[in-house]
Amino acid sequence: ELKVEQNPLFLSMQEGKNYTIYCNYSTTSDRLYWYRQDPGKSLESLFVLLSNGAVKQEGRLMASLDTKARLSTLHITAAVHDLSATYFCAVGGGADGLTFGKGTHLIIQP
Amino acid sequence: DTAVSQTPKYLVTQMGNDKSIKCEQNLGHDTMYWYKQDSKKFLKIMFSYNNKELIINETVPNRFSPKSPDKAHLNLHINSLELGDSAVYFCASSQDRGREQFFGPGTRLTVL
Repeated sequence: ELKVEQNPLFLSMQEGKNYTIYCNYSTTSDRLYWYRQDPGKSLESLFVLLSNGAVKQEGRLMASLDTKARLSTLHITAAVHDLSATYFCAVGGGADGLTFGKGTHLIIQP
Repeated sequence: DTAVSQTPKYLVTQMGNDKSIKCEQNLGHDTMYWYKQDSKKFLKIMFSYNNKELIINETVPNRFSPKSPDKAHLNLHINSLELGDSAVYFCASSQDRGREQFFGPGTRLTVL
């Protein structure tokens, strides 16, 4: 059974700081996804990582994938309040659908 | 130009009732899904449906049944609702299995 673990599950940080969210998964997969969810809203796709060593960046967010270590990271650079949300990593997407991590609840304080 | 839409957005009902949630996608995708997000925000796949092939997560009670009148729609029907069914249900679609999934706005179901 595929398991996806995120840490930390809760993160409070100050604006301007850098931090990394980690996503480990238990079985081989070459597809990893990062989603953002605002309170009461749907899931917004942030990054799709399809191969070992993939790195994608959008604004202050950068995601990477190491399939050999079964690890993905979401790095936040110089955080701003607008990035406050819950971030999910997810693995798979085949016939069994996506398996999600428990999410990282991120609060960025002025 | 909503890509994946769901109705209703909110659904409040009594235990034992039967209800349906509708989902439509206008992306031309071949695969649709239903996910359940519980009160702790944990997301879990319930069903995936592709070209009339239904994959069911083994943990889903048989009170839940997806119905697809055509490729653009995958509705969720729930019989004999229970308190534990209270959650947010998300519909999603992808071009095919293994591709990026796009999520609908969610339906918050409350069972009293």
